[in-house]
Amino acid sequence: KAGVTQTPRYLIKTRGQQVTLSCSPISGHRSVSWYQQTPGQGLQFLFEYFSETQRNKGNFPGRFSGRQFSNSRSEMNVSTLELGDSALYLCASSLGGGENNSPLHFGNGTRLTVT
Amino acid sequence: AQSVSQHNHHVILSEAASLELGCNYSYGGTVNLFWYVQYPGQHLQLLLKYFSGDPLVKGIKGFEAEFIKSKFSFNLRKPSVQWSDTAEYFCALTNFGNEKLTFGTGTRLTIIP
Repeated sequence: KAGVTQTPRYLIKTRGQQVTLSCSPISGHRSVSWYQQTPGQGLQFLFEYFSETQRNKGNFPGRFSGRQFSNSRSEMNVSTLELGDSALYLCASSLGGGENNSPLHFGNGTRLTVT
Repeated sequence: AQSVSQHNHHVILSEAASLELGCNYSYGGTVNLFWYVQYPGQHLQLLLKYFSGDPLVKGIKGFEAEFIKSKFSFNLRKPSVQWSDTAEYFCALTNFGNEKLTFGTGTRLTIIP
């Protein structure tokens, strides 16, 4: 099985711009989660989607949004970029059954640099 | 609110030394516990997981972890480390029925040949 695929691998944007990141989960996985990784804050949960619905949300401002499509692929959008949004954004997928949590499988991430 | 603490920020060991990385968590209910590893330039990979049953769980590459409920701990161990174990190690938890992972701040492990 192919792993979790994130595109693009690297992005450079300017303050005030917006950006869209893409994630293709492992085939058969219905849950997609997004995490932000920074040296100062570590790994922080952004949100999780399951069957096209946001099921969990972390403590990030409304500038961070996401969606999931019927084929389980997911996109994350950040509007009005700030310097502090520079980070590695990780996508993870899992079966998402809930009753018996399946482990998350992570992608390689998208490295976003805001200048 | 749940939280995970990893008190060792950077550990340096020589090859063949034994390893134990600490992980403590805070949550009053049923938890699922994980250790993930991030090798330089690579994605996060699952080392091992605990959902229920035997509190001593074995993972890949010779790693194991023990869940001690009374101590809210899930320490990672390996009897003899190799240079290739150099990586960052993250302890994490989810609560039952929830996909959201709460991570510790990570422990950077450096193995000296």
